[in-house]
Amino acid sequence: GQQLNQSPQSMFIQEGEDVSMNCTSSSIFNTWLWYKQDPGEGPVLLIALYKAGELTSNGRLTAQFGITRKDSFLNISASIPSDVGIYFCAGQRTYKYIFGTGTRLKVLA
Amino acid sequence: NAGVTQTPKFQVLKTGQSMTLQCAQDMNHEYMSWYRQDPGMGLRLIHYSVGAGITDQGEVPNGYNVSRSTTEDFPLRLLSAAPSQTSVYFCASSPGGNYGYTFGSGTRLTVV
Repeated sequence: GQQLNQSPQSMFIQEGEDVSMNCTSSSIFNTWLWYKQDPGEGPVLLIALYKAGELTSNGRLTAQFGITRKDSFLNISASIPSDVGIYFCAGQRTYKYIFGTGTRLKVLA
Repeated sequence: NAGVTQTPKFQVLKTGQSMTLQCAQDMNHEYMSWYRQDPGMGLRLIHYSVGAGITDQGEVPNGYNVSRSTTEDFPLRLLSAAPSQTSVYFCASSPGGNYGYTFGSGTRLTVV
């Protein structure tokens, strides 16, 4: 089955640094979503993107819907310790959401 | 509102046993899905439903059955558990369209 490729797979950063991650697919999606998963919990929706080229922010988070509709990007500015977790992208096609492999973020205080 | 409720939170099964993972939502969402999460594999879609009485297969349906007799409930049945089904299982629901899914807190299943 198809999955979305996320990079990097994991990253360690210092508190206060900016973070960038991306998600790519061989197929076009109509909607891109970004989720965060805390340890022992289910993923929680952070940002939804609905149009190619769209740039949307949610606090320190900014995400973009790629122009080709085959990729998406998430940036976190001025990271803090509670940003630790796994970040998933998801693409929607008709009734299904396909999730990426995840980027595990660890923030060093 | 409770959102999406999954039971049990933890379960250990012996190979060959069957069981049902329960999922209920109180948001009147039409769409519901089951995912499994394995290390390095992200979330993979097992089965999904777009309304009561309607289900379809996802990416990894083998060994699992679902039914959707009501809008609220979407149980996942393991017919004959295998060690390869050791995973964390998430149920999720959505109002449909492109609003994304709300996830439950997961069921951690170990098959020995």
